[in-house]
Amino acid sequence: NAGVTQTPKFQVLKTGQSMTLQCAQDMNHNSMYWYRQDPGMGLRLIYYSASEGTTDKGEVPNGYNVSRLNKREFSLRLESAAPSQTSVYFCASSVEGWEQYFGPGTRLTVT
Amino acid sequence: AQSVTQPDIHITVSEGASLELRCNYSYGATPYLFWYVQSPGQGLQLLLKYFSGDTLVQGIKGFEAEFKRSQSSFNLRKPSVHWSDAAEYFCAVGGTTDSWGKLQFGAGTQVVVTP
Repeated sequence: NAGVTQTPKFQVLKTGQSMTLQCAQDMNHNSMYWYRQDPGMGLRLIYYSASEGTTDKGEVPNGYNVSRLNKREFSLRLESAAPSQTSVYFCASSVEGWEQYFGPGTRLTVT
Repeated sequence: AQSVTQPDIHITVSEGASLELRCNYSYGATPYLFWYVQSPGQGLQLLLKYFSGDTLVQGIKGFEAEFKRSQSSFNLRKPSVHWSDAAEYFCAVGGTTDSWGKLQFGAGTQVVVTP
């Protein structure tokens, strides 16, 4: 039981490049989330998926898109990376929304 | 608008001493409250949660927290800290029907444990 896994662990992009962050969970959870963590700001919700087939915007969705590929997988895409998107990205999952389990994170640097 | 405030950005405590981390929230309804811990380079781990009932809740690793509605607070405590408690701690709030599953996190408190 791996819990929540994220790939890659680290990534460096140039401004304007695109990439997809992958997240998978093996706990049969219904809901999945993407957060970004910036110093002094805690975690901010980018997008979430309450159940398979649905996605909704969080607090900071601009510049991102998501895909809930199936119940296990929830990906985050940056279409045209900007330096302001330099951050640590966390994926999380939960059975019904509140008790969330987090992955180890992806450190993204955009130069 | 809802908000979560952790007044202390950084706390230094001696090993064996007690620890209290403060969390205040602004919320329109009775919130669901959480404390998470993040060790360096790791994801967040849930320490404890409050939904309803007894206002003193016990969590993992010897932590407890008390919900005080009158003070809009949910402070985290540990009677005797261990060096392994050095980490960043986040308070989180959620719970309205309009924001199902959306947690609002505080900015975090960094805890340093000295010998």
